Amino acid sequence: ETGVTQTPRHLVMGMTNKKSLKCEQHLGHNAMYWYKQSAKKPLELMFVYNFKEQTENNSVPSRFSPECPNSSHLFLHLHTLQPEDSALYLCASSQVETGPYGYTFGSGTRLTVV
Amino acid sequence: AQSVTQLDSHVSVSEGTPVLLRCNYSSSYSPSLFWYVQHPNKGLQFLLKYTSAATLVKGINGFEAEFKKSETSFHLTKPSAHMSDAAEYFCVVRSTSWGADGLTFGKGTHLTIQP
Repeated sequence: ETGVTQTPRHLVMGMTNKKSLKCEQHLGHNAMYWYKQSAKKPLELMFVYNFKEQTENNSVPSRFSPECPNSSHLFLHLHTLQPEDSALYLCASSQVETGPYGYTFGSGTRLTVV
Repeated sequence: AQSVTQLDSHVSVSEGTPVLLRCNYSSSYSPSLFWYVQHPNKGLQFLLKYTSAATLVKGINGFEAEFKKSETSFHLTKPSAHMSDAAEYFCVVRSTSWGADGLTFGKGTHLTIQP
């Protein structure tokens, strides 16, 4: 385990469903991130949370809704997704003050939209 | 804007032979560069980083990378491949446009090790 735990590991959902992805880190980091990894494409940064405040939204459609209730937990709420949203969603955390050295990634949630 | 280009989508080497994974970057400023590895069904694992302290960087599992500013390259090497090195490797640049050190990833190089 890396210290960043993502659940569930796999998720299959219909286009009308509502589901949530969860990320939890036990590293004492103060920044958390959602990345999307699609087949044959580079990892895409989706959202950044710095000290629980969202600092970046990389033009992500509103059907993805992040939530960061505290510095240890990050959620990605999903609703009315499209088949092209099927991908591996990775959560990461870091300690902002020490720079980009401490990025730690979770194992990801493999999402399939049917 | 900053970007990275991984020149090979697939690399195959024999066990015990050297590994070379190529990466070129584009950056307006002195970049921070990284290599990450992703084994099947696992998350991304940090291998090494360059942040201007030394041009030759040593990482975990015998990997190292050399920063060459004149060539805008940051190639990853290992003298002798092991079967456990088979994985996807990502070259990454720190994106200074992000408020909290977001990373920009290359498309990845799939490394296969032949017995």
